[in-house]
Amino acid sequence: KQEVTQIPAALSVPEGENLVLNCSFTDSAIYNLQWFRQDPGKGLTSLLLIQSSQREQTSGRLNASLDKSSGRSTLYIAASQPGDSATYLCAVLGTNAGKSTFGDGTTLTVKP
Amino acid sequence: NAGVTQTPKFQVLKTGQSMTLQCAQDMNHNSMYWYRQDPGMGLRLIYYSASEGTTDKGEVPNGYNVSRLNKREFSLRLESAAPSQTSVYFCATRRGAGNQPQHFGDGTRLSIL
Repeated sequence: KQEVTQIPAALSVPEGENLVLNCSFTDSAIYNLQWFRQDPGKGLTSLLLIQSSQREQTSGRLNASLDKSSGRSTLYIAASQPGDSATYLCAVLGTNAGKSTFGDGTTLTVKP
Repeated sequence: NAGVTQTPKFQVLKTGQSMTLQCAQDMNHNSMYWYRQDPGMGLRLIYYSASEGTTDKGEVPNGYNVSRLNKREFSLRLESAAPSQTSVYFCATRRGAGNQPQHFGDGTRLSIL
């Protein structure tokens, strides 16, 4: 059974810092890994999708990497802003079923 | 979120009551999913529908039923609500292929007294 872990559970940084969020998974047989952002009381907004054959994806100040062999992905946020404050979740889509497994998320607070 | 609409947004029920959560999408996606999100438990899959006319159980299906009414709509029914079903319920869609992203609705916040 796939297990997805996100560490740390919470992170607080001053504005302007570069930061890295971590996601690890136990089964490397995956189609893709997706990073989401969730604001309080809202649904999940897709940030980046990395296919199993890819090493990284970039969108603006966000860069996500994938190392399938080690079961790890990172989300790099450059020059963090207070508006980046949210919970960030990763989800892994396994090849043996059309279902995604989610981590519990990292709650990020960026202080002005 | 654009494209996936969930109704209602909030609901309070008494134990034993029944209700149906509605999800509709205008993205022409084949696959649709129902999740629940609980503190400390993350997002857990209740049921999913890989295509119109098919449904499958997810991780926590007990106490729920689903209907894929057509390609656009996927409903979740609680036949006899229990306090343990107090949660935030999310509907999600995917175009169909494994290399496509999931898209989520804004959720239904359900409290069962």
